[in-house]
Amino acid sequence: GIQVEQSPPDLILQEGANSTLRCNFSDSVNNLQWFHQNPWGQLINLFYIPSGTKQNGRLSATTVATERYSLLYISSSQTTDSGVYFCAVESGANNLFFGTGTRLTVIP
Amino acid sequence: EAQVTQNPRYLITVTGKKLTVTCSQNMNHEYMSWYRQDPGLGLRQIYYSMNVEVTDKGDVPEGYKVSRKEKRNFPLILESPSPNQTSLYFCASRRGSGTGELFFGEGSRLTVL
Repeated sequence: GIQVEQSPPDLILQEGANSTLRCNFSDSVNNLQWFHQNPWGQLINLFYIPSGTKQNGRLSATTVATERYSLLYISSSQTTDSGVYFCAVESGANNLFFGTGTRLTVIP
Repeated sequence: EAQVTQNPRYLITVTGKKLTVTCSQNMNHEYMSWYRQDPGLGLRQIYYSMNVEVTDKGDVPEGYKVSRKEKRNFPLILESPSPNQTSLYFCASRRGSGTGELFFGEGSRLTVL
């Protein structure tokens, strides 16, 4: 399957700070999604972004498919942003491969 | 409201006692899938279904069965649960296979003693 690497594995931010999370993948993909897993374990869809750039409020994402990476930007972080952020990719085999996540802690 | 619904959300059971985790989606999606999440291993696919009566194995199918008799439902069956199946399980669905946004249920935390 496709290898998905996320960095950094852990991140601690002061409330209000900005951050960039990175996702590298080992093969060409036709599907890439970013998820936020909240402290209750729920997986929340953030972006469906196989290529290009999207923005949703304080969050934005960019995928450069030709270079096999995606970035998730969080601006003006809030304590509610805490949790684990997952990148997941697919190459048409009906299986979404997940990275091991970035654990974000935002402190007041 | 568009959603994927799993039940039960929490379950403690004993080795060998058959159980079923139900999954239902109200978005008329063709594709449905089951994942398990374990510490240090991330999320891994168990089974998926591209349409009614069409199912296929994912990465970790051993010890599980599924069925897809109706488009909206995709139950996960553990015929004889074992402690190594203690995990957090997620059902997911999307419009078609191969592409499109995948929507997840809220998860089912299963403990097998």
